[in-house]
Amino acid sequence: SQQGEEDPQALSIQEGENATMNCSYKTSINNLQWYRQNSGRGLVHLILIRSNEREKHSGRLRVTLDTSKKSSSLLITASRAADTASYFCAPTNAGGTSYGKLTFGQGTILTVHP
Amino acid sequence: KAGVTQTPRYLIKTRGQQVTLSCSPISGHRSVSWYQQTPGQGLQFLFEYFSETQRNKGNFPGRFSGRQFSNSRSEMNVSTLELGDSALYLCASSLAGNNEKLFFGSGTQLSVL
Repeated sequence: SQQGEEDPQALSIQEGENATMNCSYKTSINNLQWYRQNSGRGLVHLILIRSNEREKHSGRLRVTLDTSKKSSSLLITASRAADTASYFCAPTNAGGTSYGKLTFGQGTILTVHP
Repeated sequence: KAGVTQTPRYLIKTRGQQVTLSCSPISGHRSVSWYQQTPGQGLQFLFEYFSETQRNKGNFPGRFSGRQFSNSRSEMNVSTLELGDSALYLCASSLAGNNEKLFFGSGTQLSVL
């Protein structure tokens, strides 16, 4: 599996604003996943987008995937203080077997101020 | 449905000791993966087990080992602890270990003094 690089490293916004974070990767993928981690806790799976999909929605989350640019973005609309967390992307390579292995970048630290 | 359960939540050990961490996956999940998370190195994959067999392994020394039981519960062991082993150890389970939608536990915070 390959590592995604999240950008920006940190994002600070006010409650109610939208938050956008980006992920870039290097080689072709089967799918790309986004996870959230609250401080000191485990990761929570947010959404998975496959290589043949361009956009996917889940509640206040919208994920886009541009395979030509090898990039993805995660948009959180109407942010809440509870969205404060680190966000990680995990691209999965096409082909091969990487059982149980996701390679994470350093993540984007999102802080939502009440 | 109960989530992934890791025990203990916190652990303090001294250098040279060994430690065993436990992970109970979601019922029906046969794949269990382990990750180490540190501020400097981030999240790093340790190994993955499926039906009691290790199918994948990360770049960690042999001091790090694991196993999986017939009920899919898994343990990881670190022998001869070093200060650098201080980390949050996360376990994740999935139905088949095909990298889609991992369910993580809350982790075990290990401090080595």
